[in-house]
Amino acid sequence: DTGVSQDPRHKITKRGQNVTFRCDPISEHNRLYWYRQTLGQGPEFLTYFQNEAQLEKSRLLSDRFSAERPKGSFSTLEIQRTEQGDSAMYLCASTPQTGGRGTEAFFGQGTRLTVV
Amino acid sequence: SQQGEEDPQALSIQEGENATMNCSYKTSINNLQWYRQNSGRGLVHLILIRSNEREKHSGRLRVTLDTSKKSSSLLITASRAADTASYFCATDSTGGYQKVTFGIGTKLQVIP
Repeated sequence: DTGVSQDPRHKITKRGQNVTFRCDPISEHNRLYWYRQTLGQGPEFLTYFQNEAQLEKSRLLSDRFSAERPKGSFSTLEIQRTEQGDSAMYLCASTPQTGGRGTEAFFGQGTRLTVV
Repeated sequence: SQQGEEDPQALSIQEGENATMNCSYKTSINNLQWYRQNSGRGLVHLILIRSNEREKHSGRLRVTLDTSKKSSSLLITASRAADTASYFCATDSTGGYQKVTFGIGTKLQVIP
């Protein structure tokens, strides 16, 4: 399977615990995005990497959230001291760099986080 | 923050009818894309229209773009029960790092 893969697919955690999600983008894609989606809403932008550089972070990304893409390949999203409000689907997407013309984003199946 | 706003938020039609969804956005864009999402799943790209294009077709899908009104429409012709899903428009804004931002979606139900 050469698509975007996310792991785990589901995560249930107790409030206050830390969680880490992983995203493996399509191998030749150098742009990687993280989104959060709650029920009935569209995906909300969290952060964006071009290769290993984190170029933009949403204000939604509090200091409890951190994302990395150490070698410009896979990425991790960590949430520290989880809160019930963090319960959501976390989506990862990747795109190739297109010189400013834009292209479709390829999404993974998401990680559904439930904080109890 | 979400750039696009889809209208209607929910749409229910009979199989065989056409479904039209609209999207409005706020800032200048490079392109606009439509995605589909089945319940609890990831998003699937449907079609991309660039800012210098006005209309695009793909199978039963027809997308229009009016940059002067900052709006787009997605038409699904001859709908099928399998088209039941949520549909999102997404914009790739000019300037900055061209991040893709999504609207809140239209939930389409096609009744067999």
